[in-house]
Amino acid sequence: SSELTQDPAVSVALGQTVRITCQGDSLRSYYASWYQQKPGQAPVLVIYGKNNRPSGIPDRFSGSSSGNTASLTITGAQAEDEADYYCNSRDSSGNHRVFGTGTKVTVL
Amino acid sequence: QVQLQESGPGLVKPSQTLSLTCTVSGGSISSGGYYWSWIRQHPGKGLEWIGYIYYSGSTYYNPSLKSRVTISVDTSKNQFSLKLSSVTAADTAVYYCARENIMITFGGVIAPFFDYWGQGTLVTVSS
Repeated sequence: SSELTQDPAVSVALGQTVRITCQGDSLRSYYASWYQQKPGQAPVLVIYGKNNRPSGIPDRFSGSSSGNTASLTITGAQAEDEADYYCNSRDSSGNHRVFGTGTKVTVL
Repeated sequence: QVQLQESGPGLVKPSQTLSLTCTVSGGSISSGGYYWSWIRQHPGKGLEWIGYIYYSGSTYYNPSLKSRVTISVDTSKNQFSLKLSSVTAADTAVYYCARENIMITFGGVIAPFFDYWGQGTLVTVSS
């Protein structure tokens, strides 16, 4: 399958922890990367590889992977973390790129 | 610091060809090691990968768009371009260019990621 499936929406209380998942067969062969997108802005890379954060991304963002599922965890969610989050990886052929369906995170 | 900037018409008529260019600064496309992609986002929808080009000119396209897409590179100008033919209103979207980097983990697993993005440009298809 070339699809990456995410839950459409999740909510989290301020300061609490939220996990966003991304499922797809290709994740057994490739790591996912994760992107945060706020309204009217370009996506921003927040996690790549096993659990790597680009410079400037807070350490409350972390990633993990098991089998066909990749996860993004926000530990101690802040109001500014409210955004859409997308996972991305290759398809099973390795030639094409595919984005997850996206998860809208609401911080209560 | 690598920067990408999309440019091109914001309005295209139905059945015509959408043409966009991405200008890369702060790094050279011809240095290799990266894949240069076009990605789009329909209004209120998710991200859709359109295709990529390597500095050598090799390309791969989203199978759903393959018959209408051409991505080319001009290393002398440090630019890569997108052409999408026979557009309809369904091609109205924000179009992003992005650089894909790749990490090979200690265990040999490939970890691709888009580390730099353009700001995006809205292209509207309308008569």
